[in-house]
Amino acid sequence: GNSVTQMEGPVTLSEEAFLTINCTYTATGYPSLFWYVQYPGEGLQLLLKATKADDKGSNKGFEATYRKETTSFHLEKGSVQVSDSAVYFCALSRETSGSRLTFGEGTQLTVNP
Amino acid sequence: GAGVSQSPSNKVTEKGKDVELRCDPISGHTALYWYRQRLGQGLEFLIYFQGNSAPDKSGLPSDRFSAERTGESVSTLTIQRTQQEDSAVYLCASSLQASYNEQFFGPGTRLTVL
Repeated sequence: GNSVTQMEGPVTLSEEAFLTINCTYTATGYPSLFWYVQYPGEGLQLLLKATKADDKGSNKGFEATYRKETTSFHLEKGSVQVSDSAVYFCALSRETSGSRLTFGEGTQLTVNP
Repeated sequence: GAGVSQSPSNKVTEKGKDVELRCDPISGHTALYWYRQRLGQGLEFLIYFQGNSAPDKSGLPSDRFSAERTGESVSTLTIQRTQQEDSAVYLCASSLQASYNEQFFGPGTRLTVL
């Protein structure tokens, strides 16, 4: 079946540090890949997505590239801010499964000033 | 416009009682999903509805769980004879259609079974 494995947290960084959160997946066919973010006290929201191999999703300074050869979709940001503190979830979906999302376990990021 | 709404936001119940959780999707969204998030874990899929098609119930953990949706509007998730392991945040999401990539999530219902 489909699965997503995320880098374990929590992750604590200083402001302006470089961020990488690793994500690898197992799926048949060609899934779409996503990063969702959950800010404290808020609902889950889509951060970025990629729908085919070599696509790069980007938003709010975050980037992730769909790497089919390594089945990975690592999240990166060059300079994190305190406001980036949140829980980040990697996820995949397949249209043949009704596009339901399969999530990783989430990575808690704390950015200190 | 209005996003996905869920009610109640919090529910505390005693073991063995039935509970009903409600989801109002974004107007015009034909696909609706229920997920469960246990403490410290990722979200797990429970069930999804697409228009008038038969729902995909493959994620429901037991026959104590059921869900209904009236047309393309409100959905209710019912848990009968609740157990302590049912304690979790129950999230609802909707999308324009099942083949569309972006799902919009509600704020969730936090269920605590004592």
